[in-house]
Amino acid sequence: GAGVSQSPSNKVTEKGKDVELRCDPISGHTALYWYRQRLGQGLEFLIYFQGNSAPDKSGLPSDRFSAERTGESVSTLTIQRTQQEDSAVYLCASLRRLAGHEQFFGPGTRLTVL
Amino acid sequence: KNQVEQSPQSLIILEGKNCTLQCNYTVSPFSNLRWYKQDTGRGPVSLTIMTFSENTKSNGRYTATLDADTKQSSLHITASQLSDSASYICVVSAASQAGTALIFGKGTTLSVSS
Repeated sequence: GAGVSQSPSNKVTEKGKDVELRCDPISGHTALYWYRQRLGQGLEFLIYFQGNSAPDKSGLPSDRFSAERTGESVSTLTIQRTQQEDSAVYLCASLRRLAGHEQFFGPGTRLTVL
Repeated sequence: KNQVEQSPQSLIILEGKNCTLQCNYTVSPFSNLRWYKQDTGRGPVSLTIMTFSENTKSNGRYTATLDADTKQSSLHITASQLSDSASYICVVSAASQAGTALIFGKGTTLSVSS
């Protein structure tokens, strides 16, 4: 595909359930970011993958959040035992290199926890 | 502490009018500054990128300025259109030996009305 894709586009779940969000980056992009955007708020960094290096997990808000990426391909963000406060849009972005190169964002997954 | 502050938080203008959005930052060491446009329900899309030595950069009706001395940037929109209604996000990159950090502003929500 031409851009970053994310699935599902919308997810409604009950409190306490686990959810898995998927990101397909642009082919050849070595770096991948996950962000959370609450309603009316700015982007909040969650986790960053760069090639085969250990991911930067410094933005994950709790141990209920985890993410994986296989090589330079698909990434999944998993939220366990969801809480209402997890309701937000989760955005994924990829780029080929750091320092000046543009992040290309996916359309996001809107998560609603009832 | 690295921070990016944007103002105003929201803005309503009439179609055809001009407007200017502000971004003040305290980021070190500065690498570059990007303005993104985020349409409702979509991921952010890059409008301009500016490095330390650049003062002005245009992209159609969008003109970004950068004053590295005062650490201020502005995004000027000329002859606004209804399609300009979106959130505009300022993102500053800080590059060091430890890696590259992206610091996001909370965005300015622009509404263009007819």
